[in-house]
Amino acid sequence: AQSVTQPDIHITVSEGASLELRCNYSYGATPYLFWYVQSPGQGLQLLLKYFSGDTLVQGIKGFEAEFKRSQSSFNLRKPSVHWSDAAEYFCAVGAGYGGATNKLIFGTGTLLAVQP
Amino acid sequence: GAGVSQTPSNKVTEKGKYVELRCDPISGHTALYWYRQSLGQGPEFLIYFQGTGAADDSGLPNDRFFAVRPEGSVSTLKIQRTERGDSAVYLCASSPGTSGINEQFFGPGTRLTVL
Repeated sequence: AQSVTQPDIHITVSEGASLELRCNYSYGATPYLFWYVQSPGQGLQLLLKYFSGDTLVQGIKGFEAEFKRSQSSFNLRKPSVHWSDAAEYFCAVGAGYGGATNKLIFGTGTLLAVQP
Repeated sequence: GAGVSQTPSNKVTEKGKYVELRCDPISGHTALYWYRQSLGQGPEFLIYFQGTGAADDSGLPNDRFFAVRPEGSVSTLKIQRTERGDSAVYLCASSPGTSGINEQFFGPGTRLTVL
């Protein structure tokens, strides 16, 4: 069965420091991978996605993620964190049905706190 | 343009009551999804509509949960005989369609509290 694991429930970083959020997935075929961010009172916003091609994908707000098939990982990175990045981050895999991606399977999320 | 909207934003009900949660997708989006997010968890898939039909309802937890999309636009999630365990944020998302891979755009959610 498809699954997503985010090993870190809570991470605290200092403003300006680099960030890496871990995501491991289990999926039988080529996965469609996503990172979403959820701020308090806000809906889920897509940061970036991987479907195929270049394994390093760029997203919004200065985020990037690297797909590593050998490690079944899709870690999210940012070189310098801003206080406004404090939020909860969810990794998700698209579970296809009839050849088309539809439902998303989410990890449990990583809550990011940013210290001044 | 307008995003996905959900009403009400908050719903408090008593155990055993019936509730309806509404989702207005982005105009022109043919695919619509419902997810449930419990405290401290990621969203869990409930049901997926393509047009008016439910293409995948494998995530509905039991027969107390039902969803409709009669005209292929607005959707209503219906919960009968609510239980305290149904308390969660119910998220709706829409996407353009089934050709290729499409981003899902999420609404702000409805927070359901069952007392």
